[in-house]
Amino acid sequence: GQSLEQPSEVTAVEGAIVQINCTYQTSGFYGLSWYQQHDGGAPTFLSYNALDGLEETGRFSSFLSRSDSYGYLLLQELQMKDSASYFCAVRDEGGRRALTFGSGTRLQVQP
Amino acid sequence: GAGVSQSPSNKVTEKGKDVELRCDPISGHTALYWYRQSLGQGLEFLIYFQGNSAPDKSGLPSDRFSAERTGGSVSTLTIQRTQQEDSAVYLCASNPGTDTQYFGPGTRLTVL
Repeated sequence: GQSLEQPSEVTAVEGAIVQINCTYQTSGFYGLSWYQQHDGGAPTFLSYNALDGLEETGRFSSFLSRSDSYGYLLLQELQMKDSASYFCAVRDEGGRRALTFGSGTRLQVQP
Repeated sequence: GAGVSQSPSNKVTEKGKDVELRCDPISGHTALYWYRQSLGQGLEFLIYFQGNSAPDKSGLPSDRFSAERTGGSVSTLTIQRTQQEDSAVYLCASNPGTDTQYFGPGTRLTVL
């Protein structure tokens, strides 16, 4: 079966940097994605890593280590609007592209 | 352009009734997915459609759940004889063949 582990909750202050970790166990692996979901909203895509290393998109970066079955999302210069739930998700089959999601990390940004 | 749309946004039903949830994917997206999200939880895969291929139904929790996709576009998820444990947000997503899934706003289903 597949499983993903991520912290349930993280708290940080405006302007700070926060890292959300994700470890996974899957039968197959094609890539690790991150999605953001505000309360009552739809998940929105943040990043996708298929290869080892760091991907940077503005204030957000995502890292993957396939040998360690581990990745993280790094959020810099935190803003109040970053308060949301963040989900890591694994694409575990080549053709289907359906995702297996973690339970989510609720980030609270405080002033 | 228009995103993924879902209707209704909220549905309250009585236990034992049937419900139909609708999804309009982004035009031109060949892949369509249904997920379910219970309160405070991650998303649970239900079913996947790709073009004209037979759907992948491996995530459907019971035979009370079924889905159709007509003309490669609109999809309907049907839940028969609803149970209280079916209460959740049902999310539809589409993608054009990349690794980005575009989600609709979801339908919040409450079974009384």
